Amino acid sequence: NAGVMQNPRHLVRRRGQEARLRCSPVKGHSHVYWYRQLPEEGLKFMVYLQKENIIDESGMPKERFSAEFPKEGPSILRIQQVVRGDSAAYFCASSPTGVDGYTFGSGTRLTVV
Amino acid sequence: DAKTTQPPSMDCAEGRAANLPCNHSTISGNEYVYWYRQIHSQGPQYIIHGLKNNETNEMASLIITEDRKSSTLILPHATLRDTAVYYCIVRVAGSNYQLIWGAGTKLIIKP
Repeated sequence: NAGVMQNPRHLVRRRGQEARLRCSPVKGHSHVYWYRQLPEEGLKFMVYLQKENIIDESGMPKERFSAEFPKEGPSILRIQQVVRGDSAAYFCASSPTGVDGYTFGSGTRLTVV
Repeated sequence: DAKTTQPPSMDCAEGRAANLPCNHSTISGNEYVYWYRQIHSQGPQYIIHGLKNNETNEMASLIITEDRKSSTLILPHATLRDTAVYYCIVRVAGSNYQLIWGAGTKLIIKP
């Protein structure tokens, strides 16, 4: 999965804390997507962003979750007041066109204790 | 809900061809079939995609039936490193960026 960098790889948070997940897309890609994966399940779409814009956040919970992709710097998925049910692997993908050529990162595994 | 159906698991002997089936009976005329795989603890990796013609690349071949209701991914000479979960995905028409993932097929390559 060279190109899309996600950090941290593993993140442990206590209930009620905030989690910040970072994603640096492939150089030149301006489309970023976040997916969540629970154990033994496929990925679930959360949000699609282009530089400075949220295009589709239909898969993201209305409360506690937010995402941004600023003009400079990585995309950030932010989860406030984490609960045990937020424990999952979060994957970021980027694309040059928004339609094809998706490249995925290695994911961030969030554990809420 | 996923628009595809895959067997939950399959075994294949190392060096043999691995044939992974996928049913997508409700596929629309302008929807492509994509295959990704996910090796343990890694992000998904693109393998191949097609519309109606058979496709081949350096990783695999994709055979799509004439009625497009099913397809088969073929790994011609499976190696132990091909052990992974393989996902067959039909791209949502009109929302091209949103991939809908099922549970996939866990392929185990045995020595």
